[in-house]
Amino acid sequence: NAGVTQTPKFRVLKTGQSMTLLCAQDMNHEYMYWYRQDPGMGLRLIHYSVGEGTTAKGEVPDGYNVSRLKKQNFLLGLESAAPSQTSVYFCASRDPTGGIETQYFGPGTRLLVL
Amino acid sequence: QKEVEQDPGPLSVPEGAIVSLNCTYSNSAFQYFMWYRQYSRKGPELLMYTYSSGNKEDGRFTAQVDKSSKYISLFIRDSQPSDSATYLCAMSLRSSNTGKLIFGQGTTLQVKP
Repeated sequence: NAGVTQTPKFRVLKTGQSMTLLCAQDMNHEYMYWYRQDPGMGLRLIHYSVGEGTTAKGEVPDGYNVSRLKKQNFLLGLESAAPSQTSVYFCASRDPTGGIETQYFGPGTRLLVL
Repeated sequence: QKEVEQDPGPLSVPEGAIVSLNCTYSNSAFQYFMWYRQYSRKGPELLMYTYSSGNKEDGRFTAQVDKSSKYISLFIRDSQPSDSATYLCAMSLRSSNTGKLIFGQGTTLQVKP
């Protein structure tokens, strides 16, 4: 049982390049989330999904797109990377029937945009 | 003004000290209050969870919620070097079907041997 995994762990991009971050969970959770973490800003929600085939915007969605084609996977895309998107990205998942507002986080992806 | 405010620190204490970490919030509709611990270069992990007001104790950790003051606290007794981490408070609404959490900025704690 791996929990929540993220690929890649680290990536360097040039301004304007695109990339996709992959999040996978093996806990059969319905809800999944993408956050970014910046110094002094805490964790900010980018996009989230309440089930396969659904996505919704969070607090800071601009410049990102997401897809949830399979229940276990949640993809975060950057179409044209900007230096302001340099950050650590965390994926999380949650079981809404668990009765506890617990989100399980992945290990993070460090992204540097030059 | 942010919905959830947390002093980023850093906070440095000697081993064995009692640590107090705090967050204030502005939205009185928050009902679920959590503390996450994040070790360096790792993802956050849930440490404590409280619904509405009151205290909750788990070993050396105690979480307190004072809804009248919009203030939550995490106390760590007999702090250990292994407690050195960033502690994030998080909150969500009672009626949230999406489970969205609002996080504080995180407080970095160092416990010196």
